[in-house]
Amino acid sequence: DQQVKQNSPSLSVQEGRISILNCDYTNSMFDYFLWYKKYPAEGPTFLISISSIKDKNEDGRFTVFLNKSAKHLSLHIVPSQPGDSAVYFCAASPQGGSEKLVFGKGMKLTVNP
Amino acid sequence: NAGVTQTPKFRILKIGQSMTLQCTQDMNHNYMYWYRQDPGMGLKLIYYSVGAGITDKGEVPNGYNVSRSTTEDFPLRLELAAPSQTSVYFCASTSGAWAGGYTFGSGTRLTVV
Repeated sequence: DQQVKQNSPSLSVQEGRISILNCDYTNSMFDYFLWYKKYPAEGPTFLISISSIKDKNEDGRFTVFLNKSAKHLSLHIVPSQPGDSAVYFCAASPQGGSEKLVFGKGMKLTVNP
Repeated sequence: NAGVTQTPKFRILKIGQSMTLQCTQDMNHNYMYWYRQDPGMGLKLIYYSVGAGITDKGEVPNGYNVSRSTTEDFPLRLELAAPSQTSVYFCASTSGAWAGGYTFGSGTRLTVV
C-alpha cells in the first residue's frame, strides 16, 4: 500500500532540455510535498517543496507543480545539467514540519552532456 | 556547521551481533528521525523523536531501539542483527519548519552476514 508512488524508475535526458519527474499519491490527507535529491554515498538533500494551497512553486531551474484533484505532482528541471544526475525522491506529509514524511521509491535521472 | 553526523559510515555485522548507529546534530533541532533504504526502495521510517526523552515507533521498528537523552544525539540500537537488516540507514533532523524539509546525514551502510 504505497502511498507515494514514483512509477518510472529512471529518466535520461540531454543537457539543456527539460526533465520532468512525476509523483502520484493516494492519501488525500497529504498537505505538503517535497522533493529530495540524492547523490551516491550521500544523504538526501532537500530540493523544493509545495503546500497544497498552491499549485506551483519555483526555485531557479526547479519548478514543482501540484494537481490535487489528480493527486499528482511533478518536478520540472529547466535547463537540465549533467550535475543534476542523481536519484530524486518525492515525499509527502499530512502536515508541516515535524510530521513524518512518506517517501516514494525514487527515480534516477541521468543528464547526458 | 556540521549538520547531521552519522557514524560509522560502513559496518559488517555477523548474525546475532549487536551495534549502535550514532547520530548527532548541531542545529538544535527538536525533531529527529531514523530511516532505512533498501535497494530500489524508498526510505522507510524506523523510529522518530519529537524532543529529548520522547521517542516513538515508525513504520518498521522491529529489531531496533532508540533513545533520546539529549537534543543533539539520537542513537539507533540493533539487537541480534539479522540479514534482513542489511540496508543503508539515514538519520535526519528538522526544526519543524517544514518548508526547509529534513537535513539528512550521509548514511551508514550496514551489511549483516
